[in-house]
Amino acid sequence: RKEVEQDPGPFNVPEGATVAFNCTYSNSASQSFFWYRQDCRKEPKLLMSVYSSGNEDGRFTAQLNRASQYISLLIRDSKLSDSATYLCVVNPSSYKLIFGSGTRLLVRP
Amino acid sequence: EPEVTQTPSHQVTQMGQEVILRCVPISNHLYFYWYRQILGQKVEFLVSFYNNEISEKSEIFDDQFSVERPDGSNFTLKIRSTKLEDSAMYFCASSELLAGGGDTQYFGPGTRLTVL
Repeated sequence: RKEVEQDPGPFNVPEGATVAFNCTYSNSASQSFFWYRQDCRKEPKLLMSVYSSGNEDGRFTAQLNRASQYISLLIRDSKLSDSATYLCVVNPSSYKLIFGSGTRLLVRP
Repeated sequence: EPEVTQTPSHQVTQMGQEVILRCVPISNHLYFYWYRQILGQKVEFLVSFYNNEISEKSEIFDDQFSVERPDGSNFTLKIRSTKLEDSAMYFCASSELLAGGGDTQYFGPGTRLTVL
């Protein structure tokens, strides 16, 4: 089983749509969880950390289910600028991050 | 806003040559990392570094790789004898605290290494 597994997409949605991404991880001892965003040929940039209680940042909502080892990201009111690859990232030890392969989002006018 | 910087942005080298990739982490950060991303693949952890020593390394980080903090600002990745399969984007990252503490790793813009 892959350490971090994501649906590669692409998700092709119209502007204004709501879209949800899911991710599963294999290491139950993982401590921290993140969503990063990566634009083509650019570095990963932190979108948000993910907490068990769920957290929201504007149009973005992240949820963590430790029992199911499942992480989600919801984007409401999609903008053209949201087009990117969304990376599910897990911290299985203090010193490294493990990345999923990413889910590609295309927002069309 | 402080940021991680990397040089060069693109390095082309011949197979078997040594390369040094350079990074300047965010100034008050204590933990430093290298990751790589082969074109079309996921970002992979290489090594983490704290207090002038390696904290953790992956299977990819074999004897051909080394890291160093030669002064108070630079953090380098050396590949002694490059192979074709070393062609990738190499990202440096830094964090103020340990990732396990929920702290964020900030990534530099990357160095694209092309081995011919």
